Amino acid sequence: GQNIDQPTEMTATEGAIVQINCTYQTSGFNGLFWYQQHAGEAPTFLSYNVLDGLEEKGRFSSFLSRSKGYSYLLLKELQMKDSASYLCAVRVPGNQAGTALIFGKGTTLSVSS
Amino acid sequence: EPEVTQTPSHQVTQMGQEVILRCVPISNHLYFYWYRQILGQKVEFLVSFYNNEISEKSEIFDDQFSVERPDGSNFTLKIRSTKLEDSAMYFCASSVGGEQFFGPGTRLTVL
Repeated sequence: GQNIDQPTEMTATEGAIVQINCTYQTSGFNGLFWYQQHAGEAPTFLSYNVLDGLEEKGRFSSFLSRSKGYSYLLLKELQMKDSASYLCAVRVPGNQAGTALIFGKGTTLSVSS
Repeated sequence: EPEVTQTPSHQVTQMGQEVILRCVPISNHLYFYWYRQILGQKVEFLVSFYNNEISEKSEIFDDQFSVERPDGSNFTLKIRSTKLEDSAMYFCASSVGGEQFFGPGTRLTVL
């Protein structure tokens, strides 16, 4: 089976730093993705990790430990517009390179002033 | 910036009717996907399509569902006989093999 766990909700204030954790148990692993989803909108790509370590991209960083089945998304200098749902998704190996993403339930982040 | 487009944005149908949801993937992408998201729930994989055939499908993608790439640009999802529980947001996505780019979605409401 496939299982991806994230906290349901988190709150933070403008300017702060927040870390959203994700743990996964999947039948194979071929990369981990973080997406942002505002209410009623499509997921938009934030980051991708396939090797262990930290990937930094502006205010957003993502970390992966494959041996622990663990990732986190770090958001710095929070802004009100960062209020959204953050989705952790694992790509599992399949027949072709373009394989399915298995999503977690998402973490709803509320940023207050 | 190229983007995935979907039509219609909202579709209302009666139970038992057929619906076709349409997508235009990003033009140089090779892999196409359909996902759905029931209100308040997680995004769920339905099917992936590569080289003019289905490469993977989930258990949700039963005989009521089909996909087609009728020409060089469109990618469609057909639900033959809709059920109440098919009410959801349906997202099309495409990729060149890395990150998947999602369209804005079609909200399907089955009455």
